[in-house]
Amino acid sequence: QIQLVQSGPELKKPGESVKISCKASGYTFTDYAMHWVKQAPGKGLKWMGWINTYTGKPTYADDFKGRFVFSLEASASTANLQISNLKNEDTATYFCARSSNWHFDYWGQGVMVTVSS
Amino acid sequence: QITLTQQAESLWISPGERVSITCRASQSLLYTDGKHYLSWYQQRPGQTTKALIYHASVRTDGVPTRFIGSGSGTEFTLSIEHVQPEDFAIYYCLQTLKSPYTFGAGTKLELK
Repeated sequence: QIQLVQSGPELKKPGESVKISCKASGYTFTDYAMHWVKQAPGKGLKWMGWINTYTGKPTYADDFKGRFVFSLEASASTANLQISNLKNEDTATYFCARSSNWHFDYWGQGVMVTVSS
Repeated sequence: QITLTQQAESLWISPGERVSITCRASQSLLYTDGKHYLSWYQQRPGQTTKALIYHASVRTDGVPTRFIGSGSGTEFTLSIEHVQPEDFAIYYCLQTLKSPYTFGAGTKLELK
């Protein structure tokens, strides 16, 4: 069955970097784009952007340009999100989600990233 | 960017009742292909976020028939008939017509 399994929770200090992964299984990884979504504690969902899993080309929403990098390990059917120079406001759960028919049909379980000194 | 407004932050209902959750877009979500680029999602604690409806009214595979998506243009509704205990969750709408994609703020179904 189709699954997106994300890496475990992270506790980081301001200024550090974090890389979280999203491993896909049950389908051909390069046939579907992967999106990233942020959810701050107690808040709603915010779209961060997406990566073309065939070409590797990332597209970032304006609020996520600069410190955020989407990447792939296509041979491992894995999408990654790296955040550098972490700030307190980066504390959130980050989801990967596969897109099909212009909606997000499968989601990862989310990774809680806590930034605290 | 397109703003999606889910007016109700919370709705209190009893199991077995029917409920409607609305989502209003700041501009039409109808594309030239005749489809509306609006989808609905369910988020429950400890569960993976679940897609319910896409193109405003198409139920995703395995979603119970009690979930019904409707609407057009800028006004959309997710209805749940005969609400079950497992339906108490937060529901979000999402537009994928134009980048940046945007979500509504969410509507929480709560037990009355």
